[in-house]
Amino acid sequence: QITLKESGPTLVKPTQTLTLTCSFSGFSLSAGGVGVGWIRQPPGKALEWLAVIYWNDDKSYSPSLKNRLTITKGTSENQVVLTMTNMDPVDTATYYCAHRLCRIATCPPGGFYFDFWGQGTLVTVSS
Amino acid sequence: DIQMTQSPSTLSASVGDRVTITCRASQSISSWLAWYQQKPGKAPKLLIYKASSLESGVPSRFSGSESGTEFTLTISSLQPDDFATYYCQQYNAYSGTFGQGTKLEIK
Repeated sequence: QITLKESGPTLVKPTQTLTLTCSFSGFSLSAGGVGVGWIRQPPGKALEWLAVIYWNDDKSYSPSLKNRLTITKGTSENQVVLTMTNMDPVDTATYYCAHRLCRIATCPPGGFYFDFWGQGTLVTVSS
Repeated sequence: DIQMTQSPSTLSASVGDRVTITCRASQSISSWLAWYQQKPGKAPKLLIYKASSLESGVPSRFSGSESGTEFTLTISSLQPDDFATYYCQQYNAYSGTFGQGTKLEIK
């Protein structure tokens, strides 16, 4: 049974750096084809993909946020960490982490869709 | 960047109706498209991947199709549980873009 859960601060100040942790179980990020991604959703708005890290430590970032994002495997083998610098009130959103495992011939190299999601964590940016 | 244009933004329908939601990609994405359902306060749920492959456990009333850069999600006979917001997501190599969402409301 695959589960994911996001954790981190619920409130950050403008210009601060946000660090979120995704803790997961039921799969190994060392297994071929596996990935973990981050997606966010401002209140009442659409989903926005942020970043993904793959089993081989390759990473992909949203072009519009690339300069602010870093995704890494955590110190624990079942964690992934996302950092976002220079936080702004427009970054207020629910942040989700999600599992990626493309079945045979269902993704291009580096492609990803997400079959299991965490419950999300709301991060508010305000002074 | 690949843009995804989803329509309509809101759709009013009744139980038993057949409904269609469309997503158009700004360039070719082959069949690399997924559909998700999201209910208020909940995480999205994967419905369809690779344009037309039904995720395990998803009812067969959901189906996906494609024609060039236009992708369609069809619900053949709406059930009360289907009223939610639906998103498409393209997943061409090393990139993922979501559509703006379609809110399916009860008429």
